[in-house]
Amino acid sequence: AQSVTQLDSQVPVFEEAPVELRCNYSSSVSVYLFWYVQYPNQGLQLLLKYLSGSTLVESINGFEAEFNKSQTSFHLRKPSVHISDTAEYFCAVRFPFAGGTSYGKLTFGQGTILTVHP
Amino acid sequence: GAVVSQHPSRVICKSGTSVKIECRSLDFQATTMFWYRQFPKKSLMLMATSNEGSKATYEQGVEKDKFLINHASLTLSTLTVTSAHPEDSSFYICSARHPSYNEQFFGPGTRLTVL
Repeated sequence: AQSVTQLDSQVPVFEEAPVELRCNYSSSVSVYLFWYVQYPNQGLQLLLKYLSGSTLVESINGFEAEFNKSQTSFHLRKPSVHISDTAEYFCAVRFPFAGGTSYGKLTFGQGTILTVHP
Repeated sequence: GAVVSQHPSRVICKSGTSVKIECRSLDFQATTMFWYRQFPKKSLMLMATSNEGSKATYEQGVEKDKFLINHASLTLSTLTVTSAHPEDSSFYICSARHPSYNEQFFGPGTRLTVL
């Protein structure tokens, strides 16, 4: 079984400050890793993902996450946040292998509410 | 891009009635769709995996007779909450797995309120 832990339920920061949202996972096999963002009363939008290759992945709006296999972590970072980054962020994992009832299933962390203050 | 829609976006119903929620992949075909439930200030809980042309696979603890799922075409999956009760009030989100991108695209969600 796999599980995801987001250590911080809420992270308040000031505008233009750096931020890190922590995510740790537990799995006996390799997994794919995702970060999703959810704005109020909306569905989830994919922010970035790690499937293979470079352990540092970036999004188009300045976020980045680094896959650390030894620490089983996939922390999300941004060097300078904006008011518009205020949202809830979810870390998720899924099995990469095709077939079986587990294929495609995402397991989500508890979510971290990022609030950016002016 | 890959777009997934849900209808309705909000629904209010009386206790004991049934409510149907539609999930559509607008510009791609999805053999697999997923239904999630999100409680206030909680994470998403996978309810079931919807497979086109076959029965849905329900997660442990989810009543299949309560939450009926039909995936009759490659672009449409429906979730019917039967005999709804106030405790069924929640935010229901669907996603569709894109065959080319190997990832899920999420719908905007449906807010269900049962009075």
